[in-house]
Amino acid sequence: NAGVMQNPRHLVRRRGQEARLRCSPMKGHSHVYWYRQLPEEGLKFMVYLQKENIIDESGMPKERFSAEFPKEGPSILRIQQVVRGDSAAYFCASSAGTGDFQPQHFGDGTRLSIL
Amino acid sequence: AQSVAQPEDQVNVAEGNPLTVKCTYSVSGNPYLFWYVQYPNRGLQFLLKYITGDNLVKGSYGFEAEFNKSQTSFHLKKPSALVSDSALYFCAVRLGSSNTGKLIFGQGTTLQVKP
Repeated sequence: NAGVMQNPRHLVRRRGQEARLRCSPMKGHSHVYWYRQLPEEGLKFMVYLQKENIIDESGMPKERFSAEFPKEGPSILRIQQVVRGDSAAYFCASSAGTGDFQPQHFGDGTRLSIL
Repeated sequence: AQSVAQPEDQVNVAEGNPLTVKCTYSVSGNPYLFWYVQYPNRGLQFLLKYITGDNLVKGSYGFEAEFNKSQTSFHLKKPSALVSDSALYFCAVRLGSSNTGKLIFGQGTTLQVKP
């Protein structure tokens, strides 16, 4: 019974490149959340998606960041033209829903380093 | 605006002693409250949640938390600490009426249990 799978675990990019982070939710989960953890800080909400729909992107920067959760395949968080300030751990979480107070289950994260 | 405060960056306890990790919250409306634990280079693991009902909730690994509405607190407790409990602990809140399910996290508290 696999948990939330994120890949890659570590990603190194040079400034100006693109970063693609992938997240496969737990089996049976159709709700995906992305959070960012900066060094010495807590997690900050970025975006909440259901299959093929962005429900809440209030925490995502307006430029360079985008997220999708297609009908088939993993959820993708895409960061274009990365800058040093994008260096962080990015965590994906999934849940079976929101209506019956299902806890979110987290993956082990992708640690993004910008050179 | 919703917020969560964990007033202690670090808590040190001796093995076998009781532990408390503090959390206070600020929301307009009924809060759903959660505790997660994070081990190095790993994602967050769900410990317990408060939705409604009994103010004392029990969770994984012998942890429990007490919801106090008048003090807007949700402190995490364990009667007898283990060295293996040493980790980073996060308190989180979700607005009960929210349909997005996004979590607002505290800054985290490092628990150090010494033999």
